Amino acid sequence: QKEVEQNSGPLSVPEGAIASLNCTYSDRGSQSFFWYRQYSGKSPELIMFIYSNGDKEDGRFTAQLNKASQYVSLLIRDSQPSDSATYLCAVISPNDYKLSFGAGTTVTVRA
Amino acid sequence: DVKVTQSSRYLVKRTGEKVFLECVQDMDHENMFWYRQDPGLGLRLIYFSYDVKMKEKGDIPEGYSVSREKKERFSLILESASTNQTSMYLCASTQGSSGNTIYFGEGSWLTVV
Repeated sequence: QKEVEQNSGPLSVPEGAIASLNCTYSDRGSQSFFWYRQYSGKSPELIMFIYSNGDKEDGRFTAQLNKASQYVSLLIRDSQPSDSATYLCAVISPNDYKLSFGAGTTVTVRA
Repeated sequence: DVKVTQSSRYLVKRTGEKVFLECVQDMDHENMFWYRQDPGLGLRLIYFSYDVKMKEKGDIPEGYSVSREKKERFSLILESASTNQTSMYLCASTQGSSGNTIYFGEGSWLTVV
């Protein structure tokens, strides 16, 4: 089983809609969860990090964490064409600081 | 303002050559990582290091080795490059388990012919 799995893409949404991205992880002891955005040919950039169960909002982005279900999600509200990118879910192992990424979900926002 | 520097951005090497990819960070971070990224596969961890002279295998260490003689420098070594190692390689560094302080280099695009 892969340590971090993301819902398969690509995901296409109209401008102004909500894009929903999902991620599951295998290590129940994981404490730190991250969402990165990566534009083609560029390095990943951090969008959100979340440590506690529940929701965390930052502008148009909301991260949701459910440790019991080992599930973390990212919602992008009022999607803009500039949100078109690959979104990567990442998890840090609590034991050895190993940072693992999912395969990514490519989002396209249609104008 | 540069935090993590990968000295080689684009390389073309021949099969069987020894390849060194260098990564230097200027933030005194303890943890450093090497990933490769291929279409549809995300970032796959090759090796990581949480201290000088310490190294841990990631998910795909075969065909690679690493060196961390100084805290700021983490080198990825391909002992005998093969065509299936053609990829984009990303270096990252962080302090402790706080992912909000992870910094990535700009990536090294390696083509093995």
